[in-house]
Amino acid sequence: DAGVIQSPRHEVTEMGQEVTLRCKPISGHNSLFWYRQTMMRGLELLIYFNNNVPIDDSGMPEDRFSAKMPNASFSTLKIQPSEPRDSAVYFCASSFLAKLSNQPQHFGDGTRLSIL
Amino acid sequence: GQQVMQIPQYQHVQEGEDFTTYCNSSTTLSNIQWYKQRPGGHPVFLIQLVKSGEVKKQKRLTFQFGEAKKNSSLHITATQTTDVGTYFCAGPNAGNNRKLIWGLGTSLAVNP
Repeated sequence: DAGVIQSPRHEVTEMGQEVTLRCKPISGHNSLFWYRQTMMRGLELLIYFNNNVPIDDSGMPEDRFSAKMPNASFSTLKIQPSEPRDSAVYFCASSFLAKLSNQPQHFGDGTRLSIL
Repeated sequence: GQQVMQIPQYQHVQEGEDFTTYCNSSTTLSNIQWYKQRPGGHPVFLIQLVKSGEVKKQKRLTFQFGEAKKNSSLHITATQTTDVGTYFCAGPNAGNNRKLIWGLGTSLAVNP
C-alpha cells in the first residue's frame, strides 16, 4: 500500500520566494497533519485537517503560512514570502481518527526546505 | 501549557548495552504513543499504550505506561546498530485528543 507521499523531497530557494509543499495522505484516512521539525524546537504541529476541514491552525507561525485541503487526497502548505528562519523539515502525516480514540500517525518522507 | 518531556536528550552506548528513555507528561494521558525516527528519516509508529501499568514487548523493546498514566518508558535490551535513531513519545492533547503533544525525543547512538 502506498504511504503518505510528499513533494518535493528537497527545496532550496531564495528568501522572499513562494514555497508550496504538497502531500497525498493514505487513502481512507480522515485526518491530515502538517508538522515542522527543527533541532531547536523538535516536532511542531502547524495545522491539522479532519475530513478536509481545518480544525486547528494554532501552530501556524504567522500569516505567511497557509494550508489547504481541497479534497481527501491532497493538501498543500504554502509559505509566502519565505524567510531563512523557515528552513526546516516539513512533514505531512495522516491518520484515521475516530471520535474517542487515537490512531497512529503515518508520516511522509518530509520536505527538506532551505531558504537562502 | 501541557508538556511532554523526555530524558535523556542523547545517549551513546556500546553495542550490546541496554538503553532506556523516559517520558513524563505534565497531565494525565489517556494513552501514549512511541515513534522511532532514523537519521534522515521520518517518525515511524512503534506502539500505543492505553492501560494504567501496561507493559508491552516487541522483541528487544519493552514499553511501560505508569500507574498514574503520566509517565512511560522504553527499554531496549542488548542494543544493536539498527537501533540508532531518535525515539519520541507523544500523548493526546488534554483539550483536543486528536492532537498529539510530542516530546523532544531521545537520540540514541550505538558504537559497534
